[in-house]
Amino acid sequence: GQNIDQPTEMTATEGAIVQINCTYQTSGFNGLFWYQQHAGEAPTFLSYNVLDGLEEKGRFSSFLSRSKGYSYLLLKELQMKDSASYLCAVRDRDYKLSFGAGTTVTVRA
Amino acid sequence: ETGVTQTPRHLVMGMTNKKSLKCEQHLGHNAMYWYKQSAKKPLELMFVYNFKEQTENNSVPSRFSPECPNSSHLFLHLHTLQPEDSALYLCASSPSEGGGETQYFGPGTRLLVL
Repeated sequence: GQNIDQPTEMTATEGAIVQINCTYQTSGFNGLFWYQQHAGEAPTFLSYNVLDGLEEKGRFSSFLSRSKGYSYLLLKELQMKDSASYLCAVRDRDYKLSFGAGTTVTVRA
Repeated sequence: ETGVTQTPRHLVMGMTNKKSLKCEQHLGHNAMYWYKQSAKKPLELMFVYNFKEQTENNSVPSRFSPECPNSSHLFLHLHTLQPEDSALYLCASSPSEGGGETQYFGPGTRLLVL
């Protein structure tokens, strides 16, 4: 089966930076996704990496190293509304998505 | 609003009840998915439909029965569930299965089995 690991919880202060790491072991690789999920709501797409390197989208950036089976999501200038669960998901050789358990980020004033 | 709707949003049922979850997508997608999300656990893929044909059944017990009458609608029929089936059930869609696009999720149905 697929194995995707990310920390369970992280806490940071408003205006700070938080980095959420994700490591994976999958049968083949066809891209890595990050989703944001607020409590009681649908997961929403944040970013997609298929090649090594950094993808930047405003306050959010995502990095991928395929040789290390590693990605991170960087959240800058944290706002209270960023308090949510962040899901790492990897697409395998059959294009099936496997998810990590999610990292709950709490932003404090 | 992601373009994927689910009803009901909350459901409480006894172990002998029969109920159905409904998902509808307004995005013109051809692939639809059912996932189960339990507390502190990864999303688990249950079923995949591509162009109305079931392409994936991830060893799901037969008390869960999916139905896809057309590319816009997906149902999950529930019968004789167990308390451990209590979870958030998420529907998702994508342009096609196996493509390079992301999946769009509905808000989920929070199910409690007593």
